[in-house]
Amino acid sequence: RKEVEQDPGPFNVPEGATVAFNCTYSNSASQSFFWYRQDCRKEPKLLMSVYSSGNEDGRFTAQLNRASQYISLLIRDSKLSDSATYLCVVNSPTGGFKTIFGAGTRLFVKA
Amino acid sequence: EAQVTQNPRYLITVTGKKLTVTCSQNMNHEYMSWYRQDPGLGLRQIYYSMNVEVTDKGDVPEGYKVSRKEKRNFPLILESPSPNQTSLYFCASSFGGQKNIQYFGAGTRLSVL
Repeated sequence: RKEVEQDPGPFNVPEGATVAFNCTYSNSASQSFFWYRQDCRKEPKLLMSVYSSGNEDGRFTAQLNRASQYISLLIRDSKLSDSATYLCVVNSPTGGFKTIFGAGTRLFVKA
Repeated sequence: EAQVTQNPRYLITVTGKKLTVTCSQNMNHEYMSWYRQDPGLGLRQIYYSMNVEVTDKGDVPEGYKVSRKEKRNFPLILESPSPNQTSLYFCASSFGGQKNIQYFGAGTRLSVL
């Protein structure tokens, strides 16, 4: 089983739609969680950190469920510019600074 | 401007010809890391370094070497490249610690013929 698993998609949604991605992780001792965004073969960039209490940044909401070991990303009112791959990222205490990336979920937003 | 700089951005080489991909950061980050990204597999860590002269293997270190003689630089060395090392490579840096938010270079697309 992969340490971090995501549905690869693709998710094809119309502009204005709400879309949600989930990600599961296997190490219950994982300490910090993030969503990164990656545009076509460019470098990943931090989208947002994920906190247990949930956090929101404009149209984006991230949630963490430690009991079920999953994190989620909700995008409201999708824009064409949201088309990208979204990477779930987990920091594990293993080896001090082990960062594990999910394989990514592809989103296409269409006009 | 705070950045992570990788060179070259694109490289085509032949099997067995030693090459080095350079990585430099200007943010005074302690932690640096190299990843390769292949379709369907996501980002896989090759090597990482928590500080000068401190390096350790990631998940896929075979066929690669690194060094960290200065805080800002973390070159990736392929002593004898093979076609299965054809990939997109990213260097990243951060302050480390529990949060470890990483900043990435623009990537190096390597083809080994």
